[in-house]
Amino acid sequence: AQSVTQLDSQVPVFEEAPVELRCNYSSSVSVYLFWYVQYPNQGLQLLLKYLSGSTLVESINGFEAEFNKSQTSFHLRKPSVHISDTAEYFCAVYAGGSEKLVFGKGTKLTVNP
Amino acid sequence: NAGVTQTPKFQVLKTGQSMTLQCAQDMNHEYMSWYRQDPGMGLRLIHYSVGAGITDQGEVPNGYNVSRSTTEDFPLRLLSAAPSQTSVYFCASRRVYEQYFGPGTRLTVT
Repeated sequence: AQSVTQLDSQVPVFEEAPVELRCNYSSSVSVYLFWYVQYPNQGLQLLLKYLSGSTLVESINGFEAEFNKSQTSFHLRKPSVHISDTAEYFCAVYAGGSEKLVFGKGTKLTVNP
Repeated sequence: NAGVTQTPKFQVLKTGQSMTLQCAQDMNHEYMSWYRQDPGMGLRLIHYSVGAGITDQGEVPNGYNVSRSTTEDFPLRLLSAAPSQTSVYFCASRRVYEQYFGPGTRLTVT
């Protein structure tokens, strides 16, 4: 069965600093990978996804993630964060043939002025 | 489109009471699911459905029932609420691999 590990439960950074949120997965079959964002007291929104093709995927608000099959990772990065990026970020994976989307435990990103 | 809607937004129950959390979607998605979110635990799948009349258990199904009589609706029933069911519940529907979430129901069981 697939599983997802988010290596940091909390990440505090200063505004305009770069950030990396780490995600590793385990699966013996092909996978589809996602990052979701949850702003305070809201539901989850899809931030970006990897289904196939280019291993580097980008979101409209400056985040990017790279699928690394050899390291089974899908880390999320942003070169310069804003206060408005403060949220909880969840990595998730579908394994081929499974109907279930499995989530990591989340990383709380806090951007300080 | 309203997307995925959930009612109520907040609910307080006493131990042993029953209730139904409502979920509806207007995107004609076949796949729907229920998750619970607890601090430090991420989202855990309770039940899911791949179409009307078809449901299956997820990771944490005990204490919850579901049914899917229409494509649009996927209610979650708590038959006898327990304090361990205090959580935030999210309903979701899926198109291909993209999952859309409702705004959530915050449930407290005392």
